[in-house]
Amino acid sequence: AQKVTQAQTEISVVEKEDVTLDCVYETRDTTYYLFWYKQPPSGELVFLIRRNSFDEQNEISGRYSWNFQKSTSSFNFTITASQVVDSAVYFCALSEAVNDSWGKFQFGAGTQVVVTP
Amino acid sequence: GAVVSQHPSWVICKSGTSVKIECRSLDFQATTMFWYRQFPKQSLMLMATSNEGSKATYEQGVEKDKFLINHASLTLSTLTVTSAHPEDSSFYICSAALTSYTQYFGPGTRLTVL
Repeated sequence: AQKVTQAQTEISVVEKEDVTLDCVYETRDTTYYLFWYKQPPSGELVFLIRRNSFDEQNEISGRYSWNFQKSTSSFNFTITASQVVDSAVYFCALSEAVNDSWGKFQFGAGTQVVVTP
Repeated sequence: GAVVSQHPSWVICKSGTSVKIECRSLDFQATTMFWYRQFPKQSLMLMATSNEGSKATYEQGVEKDKFLINHASLTLSTLTVTSAHPEDSSFYICSAALTSYTQYFGPGTRLTVL
């Protein structure tokens, strides 16, 4: 069974503050993929990043950065210098590439980020 | 990136009617598509896997006779909510898979059953 935990239901910050979203996952497979998606009020999912289980290198993309640690089964996401436009629900997701789990995404509960001016 | 469309974007229907939602991959072929359901302030839950040319496979707890899925071509999958009731009101999202780890999500369809 696979499981994704996003323990933070909602995080409120003031603009320009940094915010870190936690994601902890469970899987028995050695090959898997982790994702982060942004869901603004419109509902459409916006892809942010994909990581495979063999690539633990951290990544930075503009104000976004990700910290993947297999030792703690975590894939955390940080928004630096937050902006009002960052207000959305953020989902962490896990996908395994084998057998009957092929392509299936297991989403975490999501974290609502509220950025106020 | 590739584009997946859904039609309609939103639909309101009376209880007892059936509603069809289309999911199209506009610029690529997808042997496999997925259907998710999202209730307000909740996560996305996988409902079923739609495979072109074969029957859909449903997740545990999802009624296959209630949610009919047809993957008629490599670019089109449809979800029909039969005899819809207010508890079926939800946000339905499809995804089209290029690979197991490369998927593109549609913009979603908001269904309201009165």
